Parts: sequence; C-alpha cells; structure tokens
Amino acid sequence: AQSVTQLDSHVSVSEGTPVLLRCNYSSSYSPSLFWYVQHPNKGLQLLLKYTSAATLVKGINGFEAEFKKSETSFHLTKPSAHMSDAAEYFCVVRDNYGQNFVFGPGTRLSVLP
Amino acid sequence: NAGVTQTPKFRVLKTGQSMTLLCAQDMNHEYMYWYRQDPGMGLRLIHYSVGEGTTAKGEVPDGYNVSRLKKQNFLLGLESAAPSQTSVYFCASSYDSRKFGGGVVRSNQPQHFGDGTRLSIL
Repeated sequence: AQSVTQLDSHVSVSEGTPVLLRCNYSSSYSPSLFWYVQHPNKGLQLLLKYTSAATLVKGINGFEAEFKKSETSFHLTKPSAHMSDAAEYFCVVRDNYGQNFVFGPGTRLSVLP
Repeated sequence: NAGVTQTPKFRVLKTGQSMTLLCAQDMNHEYMYWYRQDPGMGLRLIHYSVGEGTTAKGEVPDGYNVSRLKKQNFLLGLESAAPSQTSVYFCASSYDSRKFGGGVVRSNQPQHFGDGTRLSIL
C-alpha cells in the first residue's frame, strides 16, 4: 500500500529566500507523484507531476521537484519565495495500476515580508 | 472548458435535513471522487467511482451516499445531516491510468478538482 509523508506541517520563509517542502513516499509499484497547491478558501491546483522521462520536474510558478528513487523522495523547491506562494501544499502518490490517490497531510507555507 | 464543476458553492442546513451535492466533469474521465477537508485533517476520501453505475467506499463513508448514473456526474447525498458533517467538500476526477490507448498506458494522470462546497450544519 502506498503512503506519503510530508515531514513539515508548517514551513516559514522570508520573501526572496528559497523554499524546500519535503515529501517521502512508499509505493509497491512505479509511482505517479504530484504536488498540489491550495490557496486559502480555494480548490486544489496541480503544480507539477512526475513523469519517468526526467527526474527533475518543472511546474508552474517557478516550482520544481526532484524524484529520487533511492531516497523515495519527491521534494518541492523554489529558488525565491513570493508572498503569493503562501498556501497549503500537498504531495500525492498514485499507483499506476491503482484507483486511488494517497494524499500527504499537507505543509502550510508562510512567506514573511 | 469548465473542468470540474461543483454545485452549490455554499449551503447551510439544519440537523436532520437532507441534501445532494452535484459534481459534473466535462473531460470524459472514468474516475470520480468525493473528499471532505477539515482543519488539521487533510483530505479524506468519502466515496469514489471507477465508472458509470459503480461506486465504492472510501475512508469516511458513513452518513453519505453517492450515485453515478451518468459518466459525467457524481452525486453526494446526505440523508440526515449532522453537525459533524460540517466541512468543505471537494469533488475530483481523473483518467483510469490503466487504460490502454494505442498500446500505451496512460500513466501519470492527475486528479482535477472542483472549487469546493462549503457546508455548514447547525
């Protein structure tokens, strides 16, 4: 069975500094991995998804994530945080032959001026 | 392109009342899902459907019923609303990743979410 761990429930950074949101997963099969963002009182928006074509995945709004099979990780990064990045971020795993998506508990990102 | 549309967006109910939340998608997705989101609890799966006429229980199905009479619609019903069902409800849809099209597995298919329904039960 798949599972997702997001190691930090809350991350706080200053505007203009790098962002690192950590995600570790477990999956019996080759996983599909995703990051979603949820701004306050909004729905979930897909940031990026892992495809087997490349281990470094670029997403929207300057975010990217690196798939590391040996570490079973899919950490989300951004070189320079903006105030508009303040939101909740969810790491999600899907077994390619499964019906369901497993969500991590979420990491709340705060960006300080 | 509407994507996933949820109606209504907001609703206030009294304990014991019933209501139905509607989710509609126009992407021809096979799978549809209902989640609830509560503070500090993340997203929890209520029910899901892998195709027209089929439904299955998720993590927190009690007190809810669902129906998928048409591929594009997935209804969530509360027969007798309780204050514990006060939540934000999200619908999502996705392709069946196992389907073969031209010999290729459609892998890495994400979920697409609606904007949510805020439901308060007094």
